[in-house]
Amino acid sequence: SQKIEQNSEALNIQEGKTATLTCNYTNYSPAYLQWYRQDPGRGPVFLLLIRENEKEKRKERLKVTFDTTLKQSLFHITASQPADSATYLCALPYNQGGKLIFGQGTELSVKP
Amino acid sequence: DTGVSQNPRHKITKRGQNVTFRCDPISEHNRLYWYRQTLGQGPEFLTYFQNEAQLEKSRLLSDRFSAERPKGSFSTLEIQRTEQGDSAMYLCASSLEGGGVTEAFFGQGTRLTVV
Repeated sequence: SQKIEQNSEALNIQEGKTATLTCNYTNYSPAYLQWYRQDPGRGPVFLLLIRENEKEKRKERLKVTFDTTLKQSLFHITASQPADSATYLCALPYNQGGKLIFGQGTELSVKP
Repeated sequence: DTGVSQNPRHKITKRGQNVTFRCDPISEHNRLYWYRQTLGQGPEFLTYFQNEAQLEKSRLLSDRFSAERPKGSFSTLEIQRTEQGDSAMYLCASSLEGGGVTEAFFGQGTRLTVV
């Protein structure tokens, strides 16, 4: 069955540094991949979508890469800020209908 | 604010009681999804609707769970005879189907605690 794995350990970095989060998947060839941000007690918020034919996507300080050979996506936040502290989820479409399979999320903490 | 709205935000119930949650999606969205999330895990798909039709249910959705979306607008998720294992955050999301690629807009969730 399809499986998605993200860094299980929390990531702690210093303000101003680049945070890099990993999403690996198996038994799957998704047409696209999405990243969401989730703050405690709140629902996930969509950040970026990258398609299988795109190697890289950028949005402001965010950059996502998608390597379909390695079955991996990397999510980068450059010039990180304490306000970036949250849990970041990667998600893949599952069959039809726009349903998503989510990874377990990686908690990011940016210290001032 | 025309985002996805869920009510109630929190629900504490005794084991064996029935509970019902409501989700109001973004008005023009034709797809509505229910997910369940437990601590330290990502959301898990439960069921989804396209307009008023319930098109798929996960194996996670036991017979005690039922969802409706009358008239293709708001949706309700009912859990009968609640068990402690039902304690979780129940998330609703909506999206606009078209072009094959859609982002999901999530509500704030309903946190259920079964005591």
